[in-house]
Amino acid sequence: AQSVTQPDIHITVSEGASLELRCNYSYGATPYLFWYVQSPGQGLQLLLKYFSGDTLVQGIKGFEAEFKRSQSSFNLRKPSVHWSDAAEYFCAVAAYGGATNKLIFGTGTLLAVQP
Amino acid sequence: NAGVTQTPKFQVLKTGQSMTLQCAQDMNHNSMYWYRQDPGMGLRLIYYSASEGTTDKGEVPNGYNVSRLNKREFSLRLESAAPSQTSVYFCASRAAGQGPGELFFGEGSRLTVL
Repeated sequence: AQSVTQPDIHITVSEGASLELRCNYSYGATPYLFWYVQSPGQGLQLLLKYFSGDTLVQGIKGFEAEFKRSQSSFNLRKPSVHWSDAAEYFCAVAAYGGATNKLIFGTGTLLAVQP
Repeated sequence: NAGVTQTPKFQVLKTGQSMTLQCAQDMNHNSMYWYRQDPGMGLRLIYYSASEGTTDKGEVPNGYNVSRLNKREFSLRLESAAPSQTSVYFCASRAAGQGPGELFFGEGSRLTVL
C-alpha cells in the first residue's frame, strides 16, 4: 500500500536560513509526488509536483524538491526562508487507479520562522 | 474567482444530530473529494466522485454519506454525528486530464461534535 512519512512534526528556522523538509514514500511503481502548503485557517495549495523526467523540480514561492528513487525520498528545500513561509507542509503521493486518482498525504511538518 | 467554496465554515453539533456540509466548485472540474484533517494524522480521504453521478469510498467512509448533486456540487452528510467526527473537513476538486493529484482545495469546514 502507498504511504508517506514526514519524520519531522515541527521545525523552527531563522529567517534567511536554508530549509529542508523530509519526505519518504512507499509505492510499488513510479510515484507521482507532491508538496502542498497550508497557511493557518486556509486550504491546501500546491507548491510543486514530480511526475517524471528531471528529478529536481521547481515550484512556486522559491521552493524546489528533489526526487531520489534510491532513497525513496522527495525532500523540499528553500535556500532562504521568509517569515511568510511559516505554515504547515504536506507531502503526498498519488495512488493512481481507475477513472480518478487519490492522494495519500503525510502527517505534515509545521514550520515556524524566527525573526 | 471563487474556486472551491465550502459551507458552513464552522459548526457545532450535539452527538446524534445530523448535518450536511456543502461544497461547490466553479472550475468545471470533473472529480471532487472530501477529506478530513486531524492533528498528527494529515488528511484522510472520506469519499470521492470521479464524475457526476458516481461516488466511491475513500479511506475513512464510515459514518458519512455523499451526494454528487451535479457537476458543481458535492455534499457530505453526517446522519448521526459522533465526537470522533470532530475535525476539519476539506473539499477538493480536480479537472480531467490535469494529471494525478493536482487538487484545488476549499478553505475548510471546522466541525465540533459535543
